[in-house]
Amino acid sequence: EAQVTQNPRYLITVTGKKLTVTCSQNMNHEYMSWYRQDPGLGLRQIYYSMNVEVTDKGDVPEGYKVSRKEKRNFPLILESPSPNQTSLYFCASSFGREPYNEQFFGPGTRLTVL
Amino acid sequence: GENVEQHPSTLSVQEGDSAVIKCTYSDSASNYFPWYKQELGKRPQLIIDIRSNVGEKKDQRIAVTLNKTAKHFSLHITETQPEDSAVYFCAASHLRDNYGQNFVFGPGTRLSVLP
Repeated sequence: EAQVTQNPRYLITVTGKKLTVTCSQNMNHEYMSWYRQDPGLGLRQIYYSMNVEVTDKGDVPEGYKVSRKEKRNFPLILESPSPNQTSLYFCASSFGREPYNEQFFGPGTRLTVL
Repeated sequence: GENVEQHPSTLSVQEGDSAVIKCTYSDSASNYFPWYKQELGKRPQLIIDIRSNVGEKKDQRIAVTLNKTAKHFSLHITETQPEDSAVYFCAASHLRDNYGQNFVFGPGTRLSVLP
């Protein structure tokens, strides 16, 4: 089954404790992206990747890191989480080389930083 | 950069009535406009999309219209049903200079269909 998976689905952590949220897709998509969703603000892009070893900042990259060592995986890293990073996070992927490729979303990760 | 506005933020309709959600965008380079539906606790899922060379597209009870000159596009749902209750997001997309897609989403509309 074609899908985007994320882990963990729920995470409660404390300020400053490094964490990683994994994202994997099995559709051979080149383009992968991370979003955060906050009430009233919609989906805001954190980072995106056009291919292996090619990543770039989205609209709200501060406090986040990403890597793309393999085509299928695109982990999101919070080196020193803070309470303002409490949010719902979605990973998404698409073929990406055209502007009208559908984005497929993962199930989401609800992160709480205390 | 691109900015997408969406109205209304909440919308309540009676079952069987129509619902209309409107979005505006700022970047004339945007040429793909998808609509996503997000049910409570679930991921956003594409329900319909339109490319810039088309003015209208319809899929059963759902239609989208695009006015490129005015930079706005709208989602129309007819004969609404309780299962249409969800948050709807519009988005505008174009290719960045480095050939990656740039998606910008609107803030969302919470649609409630009252039985």
